[in-house]
Amino acid sequence: DTGVSQDPRHKITKRGQNVTFRCDPISEHNRLYWYRQTLGQGPEFLTYFQNEAQLEKSRLLSDRFSAERPKGSFSTLEIQRTEQGDSAMYLCASSQTRDGELFFGEGSRLTVL
Amino acid sequence: QKEVEQDPGPLSVPEGAIVSLNCTYSNSAFQYFMWYRQYSRKGPELLMYTYSSGNKEDGRFTAQVDKSSKYISLFIRDSQPSDSATYLCAMIMAGGTSYGKLTFGQGTILTVHP
Repeated sequence: DTGVSQDPRHKITKRGQNVTFRCDPISEHNRLYWYRQTLGQGPEFLTYFQNEAQLEKSRLLSDRFSAERPKGSFSTLEIQRTEQGDSAMYLCASSQTRDGELFFGEGSRLTVL
Repeated sequence: QKEVEQDPGPLSVPEGAIVSLNCTYSNSAFQYFMWYRQYSRKGPELLMYTYSSGNKEDGRFTAQVDKSSKYISLFIRDSQPSDSATYLCAMIMAGGTSYGKLTFGQGTILTVHP
């Protein structure tokens, strides 16, 4: 499978715990995006990388959220001190060029109890 | 007011019907327009990608863009039960660091019943 891969697919955690999600993009894609989707809503942009550089962050990305893409390959999204409002599907996407098609992974679903 | 407005439905149609899905947007900086299909508990997959005003056809799907009215549509002909999914419109602004950042509509839930 050469698509975008996300891990874990589902994470259940208690409020206050830290969680980390991993995304492996399509290998030749230099752009990588993180989106968040809550029930009944469309995905909302969080941040994106071109190679290893984080070019933009949404105001939705509070200081509890941090994303990295070391060496321009896989990316991680960490949420510290999780809150119930963080419960959502976290989607990763990659593209080859800035106006190219975004290919999405199947998402990592977070449930905060 | 959201930048992209989409009627969430739900929309229920019989098999074989023509389906019309629509979005309006407020920011004229949006230049690229897409429709994604999302099955339950899956990531969105791209159906149509258009840039200019006018129609683009791909099989049973036709995407229509009217930049003057800030209105886009997706038509599905001869709808099938397998088309049952959430349909999301999405847009990209051209230029600057926002290039490539998608803004999505809320999504319309479509059910095609046999």
